Amino acid sequence: DGGITQSPKYLFRKEGQNVTLSCEQNLNHDAMYWYRQDPGQGLRLIYYSQIVNDFQKGDIAEGYSVSREKKESFPLTVTSAQKNPTAFYLCASSGWGRGEKLFFGSGTQLSVL
Amino acid sequence: QQQVKQSPQSLIVQKGGIPIINCAYENTAFDYFPWYQQFPGKGPALLIAIRPDVSEKKEGRFTISFNKSAKQFSLHIMDSQPGDSATYFCAAIKNTGNQFYFGTGTSLTVIP
Repeated sequence: DGGITQSPKYLFRKEGQNVTLSCEQNLNHDAMYWYRQDPGQGLRLIYYSQIVNDFQKGDIAEGYSVSREKKESFPLTVTSAQKNPTAFYLCASSGWGRGEKLFFGSGTQLSVL
Repeated sequence: QQQVKQSPQSLIVQKGGIPIINCAYENTAFDYFPWYQQFPGKGPALLIAIRPDVSEKKEGRFTISFNKSAKQFSLHIMDSQPGDSATYFCAAIKNTGNQFYFGTGTSLTVIP
């Protein structure tokens, strides 16, 4: 089955801890994205990547880091600098071109202990 | 600042009703306008999309109306069903690339 796999589905973070959210796609998409979803605020872009070994900050990148060492993988690390990390995190991918469809994973719910 | 403004935040209709969700934008560089449907605990999924060279697009019970001069577009759900209860997001994409700008979402509840 082609698609985007996010893991884990639920994640708990202790104070001062870094945590990494996994995102893997087998759609052969060039572009990958991380969004944060909070109630009433829609989807806010954290980071995106158009090609391997390159990525760009989105609107709310502070306190987050990413890597893109493989086309299929785009992990997101929520660092201890992110003081309000509790949210639903969505990974997405698309081809790179006009009007390419955006495909989403099933999300990771991150909560602070 | 919110590039795409969406309203209402929530909507409750009876089964068979026609909920309408509205979105507005300012940037004339946007040239692709998709709508996404999201069920609780799941990622959004593409529902229907439109380009500004047409004023309306229908796919099954879902219709997008597009008003280029007013920079507004809306989603209509005909003969709504309880299974349509979900959160709906509008989005806009610039003609220069693949950065998606999302509205804040509308939570739709269809009462049986």
